Amino acid sequence: TQLLKQSPQFLSIQEGENLTVYCNSSSVFSSLQWYRQEPGEGPVLLVTVVTGGEVKKLKRLTFQFGDARKDSSLHITAAQPGDTGLYLCAGVTPDSWGKLQFGAGTQVVVTP
Amino acid sequence: SQTIHQWPATLVQPVGSPLSLECTVEGTSNPNLYWYRQAAGRGLQLLFYSVGIGQISSEVPQNLSASRPQDRQFILSSKKLLLSDSGFYLCAWRARRGPGDTQYFGPGTRLTVL
Repeated sequence: TQLLKQSPQFLSIQEGENLTVYCNSSSVFSSLQWYRQEPGEGPVLLVTVVTGGEVKKLKRLTFQFGDARKDSSLHITAAQPGDTGLYLCAGVTPDSWGKLQFGAGTQVVVTP
Repeated sequence: SQTIHQWPATLVQPVGSPLSLECTVEGTSNPNLYWYRQAAGRGLQLLFYSVGIGQISSEVPQNLSASRPQDRQFILSSKKLLLSDSGFYLCAWRARRGPGDTQYFGPGTRLTVL
């Protein structure tokens, strides 16, 4: 059973458009992380959120952690081809020795 | 700064052969260590984690085993590979300080079992 559900599974957009990826769960997380992964490489951390309602911005990327710490979203403004990749959300549940529960990922393709 | 290494980067093995994948971390002490497997283009499945030397916890029953002979070394092994063991194997480390701490991933090993 996958604790975290990501949607959509696949997203193809034109350069300059905006996009949002969602990560939802019925479980409460101590923290939630977003990663981006290129083919054949390990995931690279984008952000960690720990406080309910927290919003973090990383250039054109905006991350939000739900008030109840059960869900999160990633919004990209004016997407560029360099944003193409597999976006993964992962959460740490309390008392889990820091084990990450991963969503299935959202493949984002940004075409010029 | 901390770095994490995995080798080999790519491996092609016949069914029934043994396996040994190695992961080492530099620049930190007493990390939590993790082995994941990833199906093509999908999320990661946690296989094993370790909170210290000789301490291994398995998340799913499988044909694989893990060992931690040194503080910053984590090894994934199999005595006899199955076709279903093919995949992308990722090692990760985490500093043991609190819930906000992040896991950092190695570059991965692509294993193909033929």
